[in-house]
Formats: sequence, C-alpha cells, structure tokens
Amino acid sequence: ELKVEQNPLFLSMQEGKNYTIYCNYSTTSDRLYWYRQDPGKSLESLFVLLSNGAVKQEGRLMASLDTKARLSTLHITAAVHDLSATYFCAVDKPFRSGGSEKLVFGKGTKLTVNP
Amino acid sequence: ETGVTQTPRHLVMGMTNKKSLKCEQHLGHNAMYWYKQSAKKPLELMFVYNFKEQTENNSVPSRFSPECPNSSHLFLHLHTLQPEDSALYLCASSQEGTGSGAYNEQFFGPGTRLTVL
Repeated sequence: ELKVEQNPLFLSMQEGKNYTIYCNYSTTSDRLYWYRQDPGKSLESLFVLLSNGAVKQEGRLMASLDTKARLSTLHITAAVHDLSATYFCAVDKPFRSGGSEKLVFGKGTKLTVNP
Repeated sequence: ETGVTQTPRHLVMGMTNKKSLKCEQHLGHNAMYWYKQSAKKPLELMFVYNFKEQTENNSVPSRFSPECPNSSHLFLHLHTLQPEDSALYLCASSQEGTGSGAYNEQFFGPGTRLTVL
C-alpha cells in the first residue's frame, strides 16, 4: 500500500526566512505533485514532477524529486505572508502497464508566515 | 464557466434528507473524482470515474451514491447521512493517459461544505 508522509505538519516561520517541507513515500513512483490550499478554498496545482532529479521553480517556491530516495522537497525562499497556506504533496500510484491508478495525498503542511 | 465547478457551495441537511452534489468540468478531461476532506483526516478518495466508468470505490458507505452521466458531469447523491459525514467534498478532473509517459495532474473544484445535523 502506497503511503505518503509529509513533515512538518505545522510550520510557523518569519518573513524573509528559508525553509523546506519534506514528502516521503513508500513505494516506487516517478510522478509527484504539489498542491496549495488556502483556508476554505480548493486545491491549486503548483508543481508536477515526472522524473528523478526533476526540479521546478515558481517565484519563492522550488520543488524537487528524488525517486531513488522516494523523497520530494518543497523549498521556500525568503518567505512572505502571502505564502501562508496548507501545502499537500500527492504521489501517483501507477498501474503496471503505465497510467495512473490514483493519487495518494499526504496530510498536508500548514504554513504560517509571520511578519 | 471555466475549470471545475461545484454546486451547491454550502449545504446543510438533516439525517433523513436526500440531496445531491453536482460537479461539472469544462476542461475536456476524461476522468473525474470525488474526495472527502475533513478536519481530522487527510484527503480521502471516494470515487473515480474514468471514461464514464467507475474504476474505484474506496469502501465508501452506500449512503453515498455517485453518478456520472457523461465525461463532463459528476453527481454525488446523499441519503440518510450521519453527522460524521460533515466535511468538504471536493470534485476533481484529469486527463488520464494509459502509456508509460502518462501522468495524472488533477484539477479541483471549489468544494461543497456539507453539514449534517
């Protein structure tokens, strides 16, 4: 059974600081997704990582994937208040023949950026 | 309308009521999903419809009944719910491929906040 673990689950940080959120998963997969959710809102797709060593950056957020370690990181650079949200990683559980059976989500990391 | 829409956005119902949640996707996708998000649990996949056929039923109680009349519309029919069913119900869609290069980026609707009294 595919399990996805995020840590930390809660993160309070000051504006201007850097931090990393970690996403570990238990079985082989080379497709990983990061989502953002604002309070009371839906999930917004941030990054799609599709191979070992994949790195994607958007503004102050950078995501990477190491399929051998079964680990993805979401790095926050010089945090600003607008980044306060809950961040989810999701791992694709693939069929043997290719294609996706389903996504398995982590519990989410609630990020609070304080002035 | 663009993306994935859901109605109603908020629903309060009694345990004996029957109601339906509606989801519509305007992205030309071929797969649609229902998820449940509650305060104390991670995002839970409930149902998957791929090419209009149900391919996943994650041991969901029979008081939840999905319907997918076509690839753009998805319903979740609710009857005799329990207070613990109160949650945010999210619909998502994706364009699923079948080859080794396929991936499954899902796009979510705004959700229906359900309260069962």
